Amino acid sequence: AQKVTQAQTEISVVEKEDVTLDCVYETRDTTYYLFWYKQPPSGELVFLIRRNSFDEQNEISGRYSWNFQKSTSSFNFTITASQVVDSAVYFCALSEADSNYQLIWGAGTKLIIKP
Amino acid sequence: DAMVIQNPRYQVTQFGKPVTLSCSQTLNHNVMYWYQQKSSQAPKLLFHYYDKDFNNEADTPDNFQSRRPNTSFCFLDIRSPGLGDAAMYLCATSRERGMGLYEQYFGPGTRLTVT
Repeated sequence: AQKVTQAQTEISVVEKEDVTLDCVYETRDTTYYLFWYKQPPSGELVFLIRRNSFDEQNEISGRYSWNFQKSTSSFNFTITASQVVDSAVYFCALSEADSNYQLIWGAGTKLIIKP
Repeated sequence: DAMVIQNPRYQVTQFGKPVTLSCSQTLNHNVMYWYQQKSSQAPKLLFHYYDKDFNNEADTPDNFQSRRPNTSFCFLDIRSPGLGDAAMYLCATSRERGMGLYEQYFGPGTRLTVT
């Protein structure tokens, strides 16, 4: 069965520290897609990244980077030089190729950046 | 700016009193989704519309109904709210189904309180 595990319920770091949010997934499909969404205190879920199972290249976008490793079924998210505005709940999600609309969500990791 | 709009942002209703939440989008997307999100949990999909085609999730209670009178608007009706229905309700859209290609864009949510 498909599953997404975000083992870190809450992480607290001081501003400017680097932080990595872990995401481990389970799927039997060879074609699947992984997502990260950010949910700040205002409540709106913000799409951050989508990655398909055939593209294991790491991605960097400003202070954000993602490390996709099929060998360990992980899709981890790193924020470099964290800022207070990064404080939010971050969700990792999985979609399989034959599921044309369903997202399997992780439980989320609450990230607190202290000034 | 193209966006997903939800009104109201906060709604208080009485136990058993019907309530309607609204969602509109300027993205001209074919698919609209309604999610329920309870505190410290991931969003849970209630149903979605693909154009005018309504798709209910198997475990969505009959108490929840939806209407999509046109491409831009979608409504969530809760016929007899119970205390357990207090939650954040998120509307999302995507251009098409097929999660590999089309990510979901979320509105800011409506926080429902049932007294």
